[in-house]
Amino acid sequence: ELKVEQNPLFLSMQEGKNYTIYCNYSTTSDRLYWYRQDPGKSLESLFVLLSNGAVKQEGRLMASLDTKARLSTLHITAAVHDLSATYFCAVVSYSGAGSYQLTFGKGTKLSVIP
Amino acid sequence: ETGVTQTPRHLVMGMTNKKSLKCEQHLGHNAMYWYKQSAKKPLELMFVYSLEERVENNSVPSRFSPECPNSSHLFLHLHTLQPEDSALYLCASSQEGRGDSPLHFGNGTRLTVT
Repeated sequence: ELKVEQNPLFLSMQEGKNYTIYCNYSTTSDRLYWYRQDPGKSLESLFVLLSNGAVKQEGRLMASLDTKARLSTLHITAAVHDLSATYFCAVVSYSGAGSYQLTFGKGTKLSVIP
Repeated sequence: ETGVTQTPRHLVMGMTNKKSLKCEQHLGHNAMYWYKQSAKKPLELMFVYSLEERVENNSVPSRFSPECPNSSHLFLHLHTLQPEDSALYLCASSQEGRGDSPLHFGNGTRLTVT
C-alpha cells in the first residue's frame, strides 16, 4: 500500500522568508502532483512532475521530484500572505486493472504572517 | 460553464434519509472520481469511473452508491448514513491516457449527517 507523508503538517512563516515542504512516498512512482486548497474551497492543481529530476516553477513556488529518493519538495521563496493555504502532494500508483489512483498526503497548512 | 460543478454545496441529512450528490464536468474528460475529505485525514478515494465503467471501489460501505450515466455526469447516492460520514465530498475528473493530466476538482459538497 502506497503511503505518502508530508512534513511539516503546519507551517507558520514570516513574509519574505524561504521554506521547503517535503513529500515522501513509500513505493515506486513516476508521477506526482502538488495541489493548493484555500479554506472552504476546492483543490487547485499547481504542478505535475513526471520524471526523475523534474523541476517546475510558478511565481514564488518551485517543485522538484527525486524518484530514486521517493521525495518531492515544494520550495517557497520570499513568502507573501497570498500563499497562505493548505498544500497537498499526491502520488500516482497503478492498479492491476490498468488504471491508476492518487494517494494524497495529509497536507501542509501554511500561514504567512506579516 | 467550465470546470467541474458539484451540487448541492451543503447538505444536512438525517440518518434515515436518502439523498444524492451530483457532479458534472465540462472539460471533455473521460474519468471521474469521488473523494472524501474528513478533518485531520488525507483525502480518501472512494470511486473511480473510467469511460463510464467503475474501475476502483476502495472498500467503501454500501450505504454509498455511485452512478455514472455518461462521461460528463457522476452521482453519489446516499442512504442510511452515519454521523461519521459527515465530510466534504469532492468530485474530480481527468483525461486518462494523458501522462500529465492532473485531477480537476469541483468545489465539493459539505455533508452533515445528524
